[in-house]
Amino acid sequence: GENVEQHPSTLSVQEGDSAVIKCTYSDSASNYFPWYKQELGKRPQLIIDIRSNVGEKKDQRIAVTLNKTAKHFSLHITETQPEDSAVYFCAASSGSARQLTFGSGTQLTVLP
Amino acid sequence: GAGVSQSPSNKVTEKGKDVELRCDPISGHTALYWYRQSLGQGLEFLIYFQGNSAPDKSGLPSDRFSAERTGGSVSTLTIQRTQQEDSAVYLCASSGDSHQPQHFGDGTRLSIL
Repeated sequence: GENVEQHPSTLSVQEGDSAVIKCTYSDSASNYFPWYKQELGKRPQLIIDIRSNVGEKKDQRIAVTLNKTAKHFSLHITETQPEDSAVYFCAASSGSARQLTFGSGTQLTVLP
Repeated sequence: GAGVSQSPSNKVTEKGKDVELRCDPISGHTALYWYRQSLGQGLEFLIYFQGNSAPDKSGLPSDRFSAERTGGSVSTLTIQRTQQEDSAVYLCASSGDSHQPQHFGDGTRLSIL
C-alpha cells in the first residue's frame, strides 16, 4: 500500500519568513495530493490540493509543487503570520484506493 | 447542515464496553470515510463508503470494529469490547464523490479507562 513520509516534524520560522514542508510517497499510482491544516483540538481543514496532471498550484500565500518522477510534493507558505501556526498534514490517494494516506504531520510555529 | 457533524464529541467508557460513534455527512455527499487519529499522530484510514457499493473495510484494525451506513447518509462506527489502545480521536469525512476533496468533522474523542 501507499506510504507517505513528511518532513520536518517541527518547524519554527519568524513572522514574514517562508515555510516549506516536504512529503514523499511510494505508490506511483497516487494521483491526488491534499494538504490539511489542523489547529489544536480542531478538525483538519483542507487548505490546498493538487492532482498529478499539474506541477504547481498557488492560492494567495500558499503553493504546492509536485514532482511525479521523484514522487515528492511540497507545501510552501510565504509571508507567514502567527495564525499560520498549526499542524500541517500531507496526504496522497490513488485512483484505485480512494482513502487518503497521511503523513505524520509538521508542527509549524510562527514566531512574532 | 453546513458541515460534517459527529457525535458524541467526547466519550469516556470502561474497558470491555461497546461504543457507537455517529457521523452525519454533508448533505448530498455520497462518499464517507472514517479515520482514527492517535495523540500526536497522523490520521489512519479505517473504512470507506461510496453510495450503495460494498464498503472498503481494509483499514479496520480488528474484528471488534465495524461500521454501517444506512440510507446512504448517516454512518455509525461501532467498537466492541473496547481496549485501552482504542483511545483516540475518531474522525469522519465526506466528499461529493470519491474524486472530490474530503471534508472532516470535529471528531469524537474516545477515552477508554
